[in-house]
Amino acid sequence: DVKVTQSSRYLVKRTGEKVFLECVQDMDHENMFWYRQDPGLGLRLIYFSYDVKMKEKGDIPEGYSVSREKKERFSLILESASTNQTSMYLCASSLYGTGTFGYTFGSGTRLTVV
Amino acid sequence: QKEVEQNSGPLSVPEGAIASLNCTYSDRGSQSFFWYRQYSGKSPELIMSIYSNGDKEDGRFTAQLNKASQYVSLLIRDSQPSDSATYLCAVPGSFISNFGNEKLTFGTGTRLTIIP
Repeated sequence: DVKVTQSSRYLVKRTGEKVFLECVQDMDHENMFWYRQDPGLGLRLIYFSYDVKMKEKGDIPEGYSVSREKKERFSLILESASTNQTSMYLCASSLYGTGTFGYTFGSGTRLTVV
Repeated sequence: QKEVEQNSGPLSVPEGAIASLNCTYSDRGSQSFFWYRQYSGKSPELIMSIYSNGDKEDGRFTAQLNKASQYVSLLIRDSQPSDSATYLCAVPGSFISNFGNEKLTFGTGTRLTIIP
């Protein structure tokens, strides 16, 4: 089975801190994704990467950046954390051809910014 | 119109009955469809995918697709309390936009409660 591992299950950070969320997958998937999930708003795509060092903005990239230096690792960076970035963050990966295979999700990181 | 729409529920179904979850989508070019189950506080897990019109069965789950009417549904037979979760419908984006087909758009989910 594909494993997508997110480094932290729960995080509490202070406003203004730089925050790193890490995601690692072990099945050589080309695509990796970062979503946030909020009640009533569903899953919203922040960033997407289809290859090493390649990235595409999703629907809500403001306040975030990403890094993909190795195929298996996709990092989400909150440059200066704010309280409105308190959310559940979900990493996912897929083979090229998401339309055929769908995603596999990591277990999620619940981030609280105080 | 939202790209993927689901009734948010909550939907309450007695144990042993059939639960019916519906999803409509706006892109007529969509070719594949996915159902994810998400337990409270957990991440979504893929339970069904469907690509062709008609029904696809997997155990107690049946996905139904009608491309002409642009809807996809999930039936859960013999509902169990362990089926209580939020069910998310997901559809790949358009081939027209750059890498659009590589990204899934999710509905906001339907919360299902099975009553013992």
